[in-house]
Amino acid sequence: NAGVTQTPKFRILKIGQSMTLQCTQDMNHNYMYWYRQDPGMGLKLIYYSVGAGITDKGEVPNGYNVSRSTTEDFPLRLELAAPSQTSVYFCASRHRDGGNSPLHFGNGTRLTVT
Amino acid sequence: AQSVTQPDIHITVSEGASLELRCNYSYGATPYLFWYVQSPGQGLQLLLKYFSGDTLVQGIKGFEAEFKRSQSSFNLRKPSVHWSDAAEYFCAVGGGGGNKLTFGTGTQLKVEL
Repeated sequence: NAGVTQTPKFRILKIGQSMTLQCTQDMNHNYMYWYRQDPGMGLKLIYYSVGAGITDKGEVPNGYNVSRSTTEDFPLRLELAAPSQTSVYFCASRHRDGGNSPLHFGNGTRLTVT
Repeated sequence: AQSVTQPDIHITVSEGASLELRCNYSYGATPYLFWYVQSPGQGLQLLLKYFSGDTLVQGIKGFEAEFKRSQSSFNLRKPSVHWSDAAEYFCAVGGGGGNKLTFGTGTQLKVEL
């Protein structure tokens, strides 16, 4: 039972490069989320999706894009990487219910932009 | 808008001592409340949650939390801390469109042997 799988685990980008962080879940969860975690700041929501074909912005969406073509996959795209995007990125998913179900997290992607 | 405050950035306790981590939330309706724990290099793991009913909830690893509506608090407690409890702890409140969770800034727990 894999749960939520994120790839890659680590990545170093140069300023202006682009990349896609991959996230897949095998629990048939409708809801999926991308968070970034910075020291002392907790987790900030970047984008989320309530089902295939539906995405919406979170607190800090600038500089990122997402797509949700399938229930399983929710990739996060960085275009024109900037040093401010150096962070640890977590993908999470949950069942669609009244809000009671917990988030299941991946192990994160540590991104450095230099 | 929903928000969470964890006033303690770092806490150090001795092994075997009791622990209380503070969490205050802001939410317009009955909140969904969660505590997560994060070990270094790992994702977040759910410790416990409150949805409704009994205001004292039990979680994994011997943790419990009490929901106090009048104080807008959801403090995490453990009677006797083990060295393996050293980690970062996050309180979160959920709700709204997409049932998004809003996290606090975390409390780093250090356990002295």
